Amino acid sequence: KQEVTQIPAALSVPEGENLVLNCSFTDSAIYNLQWFRQDPGKGLTSLLLIQSSQREQTSGRLNASLDKSSGRSTLYIAASQPGDSATYLCAVPAEYGNKLVFGAGTILRVKS
Amino acid sequence: EAGVAQSPRYKIIEKRQSVAFWCNPISGHATLYWYQQILGQGPKLLIQFQNNGVVDDSQLPKDRFSAERLKGVDSTLKIQPAKLEDSAVYLCASSLGSGRVTDTQYFGPGTRLTVL
Repeated sequence: KQEVTQIPAALSVPEGENLVLNCSFTDSAIYNLQWFRQDPGKGLTSLLLIQSSQREQTSGRLNASLDKSSGRSTLYIAASQPGDSATYLCAVPAEYGNKLVFGAGTILRVKS
Repeated sequence: EAGVAQSPRYKIIEKRQSVAFWCNPISGHATLYWYQQILGQGPKLLIQFQNNGVVDDSQLPKDRFSAERLKGVDSTLKIQPAKLEDSAVYLCASSLGSGRVTDTQYFGPGTRLTVL
């Protein structure tokens, strides 16, 4: 059974700092991995999707890497801004269907 | 393009009462998902529909939860009777395809349920 773990559970950094969020999964036979952002009182927004054949994906100040063999992914945020404050979730598809298995998330606070 | 719509946004009920949530997916999306997100946890899939048929309801507590998708479009999720541990955000998502792992899921804003 796939399980996803995210570390740290919460992170507080000053504005401008570069930071890394970590995600690990138990079953390395994944098709892809997604990083989502969740703002308070709002739904999830997909940030990056990495296919199993890719090692990384970039969007603006965000860079996500994937190491299937070790069951790990990282989300790198460059030059953090207060607007980046949110909960970041990673998710992988379960072994069948399109059910996503989520981690518990990392709550990020960027202080101005 | 309009996103996934959900209502109500917030609901407070007493335990043992019943409650219903409504979801309108993105037009043309074949697959619809209901997730439960308990505070401090990631979302957990409750039920997945493809058109109006159920694909996966393995984690739906069927003694109290029920869901339907009318004519393969809108969906309702019902809890009867509610328990304290049902307090959570209920997220609806939809995807264009038939639920393949490559399909992107688009999420609604969620309904926050508080059971007192």
